Amino acid sequence: GGIITQTPKFLIGQEGQKLTLKCQQNFNHDTMYWYRQDSGKGLRLIYYSITENDLQKGDLSEGYDASREKKSSFSLTVTSAQKNEMAVFLCASSMTGGDTGQLYFGEGSKLTVL
Amino acid sequence: GDKVKQSPSALSLQEGTNSALRCNFSIAATTVQWFLQNPRGSLMNLFYLVPGTKENGRLKSAFDSKESYSTLHIRDAQLEDSGTYFCAAFNTGNYKYVFGAGTRLKVIA
Repeated sequence: GGIITQTPKFLIGQEGQKLTLKCQQNFNHDTMYWYRQDSGKGLRLIYYSITENDLQKGDLSEGYDASREKKSSFSLTVTSAQKNEMAVFLCASSMTGGDTGQLYFGEGSKLTVL
Repeated sequence: GDKVKQSPSALSLQEGTNSALRCNFSIAATTVQWFLQNPRGSLMNLFYLVPGTKENGRLKSAFDSKESYSTLHIRDAQLEDSGTYFCAAFNTGNYKYVFGAGTRLKVIA
């Protein structure tokens, strides 16, 4: 088995601030993902990466940057936090980016912007 | 419109009873996953399906790719089954998983 570790678990920021979330996986999976979940809603894809140094935009990429520094890690940056924004960011990984890849999720990082 | 529609959106079940959750897809899906999100927000993998059925304890899931739907059956519901159930379909059109909005289940004693 493996595990996906997200840091920090809780993040409080100020309006306009640049905030970075980190994700590490030890599954040795090729593909990693960042999703955003708003309260009471489903998951929306922000960015994903099918291999080291690769980056693909999801449906919600505006306002975010991402970086796949190495196979095991994938970072997400909120480029300018919006006032009163509150959401959970979920990192996931899968063996491949195709339909043979079962998704595994981290515990989530909760963002609150004051 | 929603590419993955889950129904019902919310459900209250008496402990010990059975129910079925459903996902309808308007995309060409080749695999489906079902997750349970607990009140702390963690997503647990329940099933990963190609067309066909799988069973695990009190849970059983089916995926029919031709009719574009998947179901999750819960038998003998327990209090710990409470949470939000999500289905996700792999969209062969753009090679991404698409999530439904979830079914919020509450099991009551």
